[in-house]
Amino acid sequence: EAQVTQNPRYLITVTGKKLTVTCSQNMNHEYMSWYRQDPGLGLRQIYYSMNVEVTDKGDVPEGYKVSRKEKRNFPLILESPSPNQTSLYFCASMGDLFTDTQYFGPGTRLTVL
Amino acid sequence: SQQGEEDPQALSIQEGENATMNCSYKTSINNLQWYRQNSGRGLVHLILIRSNEREKHSGRLRVTLDTSKKSSSLLITASRAADTASYFCATDASGYSSASKIIFGSGTRLSIRP
Repeated sequence: EAQVTQNPRYLITVTGKKLTVTCSQNMNHEYMSWYRQDPGLGLRQIYYSMNVEVTDKGDVPEGYKVSRKEKRNFPLILESPSPNQTSLYFCASMGDLFTDTQYFGPGTRLTVL
Repeated sequence: SQQGEEDPQALSIQEGENATMNCSYKTSINNLQWYRQNSGRGLVHLILIRSNEREKHSGRLRVTLDTSKKSSSLLITASRAADTASYFCATDASGYSSASKIIFGSGTRLSIRP
């Protein structure tokens, strides 16, 4: 089954404690992306990757890091989480930016105390 | 930057009626996509319309695109209770320096009354 998986689904942590949210897709997609969703603001792109070893900033990259060492995986790293990073996070993938649709993971609800 | 803006922010209609949502964007695009999200869950793709297309249909969905006005509309006909969800438009950012970004609107919350 074609899917995007994220782990963990729920996470409560404290300020400053490094964390990683994993994302994996099994569709051999080149384009992968991370979004955060906050009430009233829709989805905002954090980082995206056009292919292995190619990543770029979205609209809200501050406080986040990503890596793309393998085509299927695109982890999101918060080196020193802060309360303003409390949000719902989605990973997504797509084959071609201009012709394909995005497939979304189920989301990770992160709370930073 | 907010490329896509949806209108209205919230819409409540009677089951069986049609629902229309609008999306406006700021720069040139290659395509525009509509997504549905059920309360706090992942987004589901509904329809993609390319910049050289003016109208597209998929079941009870009809999407139009007017590139001269930089706007799109999503029409859901004969609404059902299961259509209750938030609807988002998304565009690529070909008019910006970083053309590979994807920008979402803030969404329209649709409620269908029985």
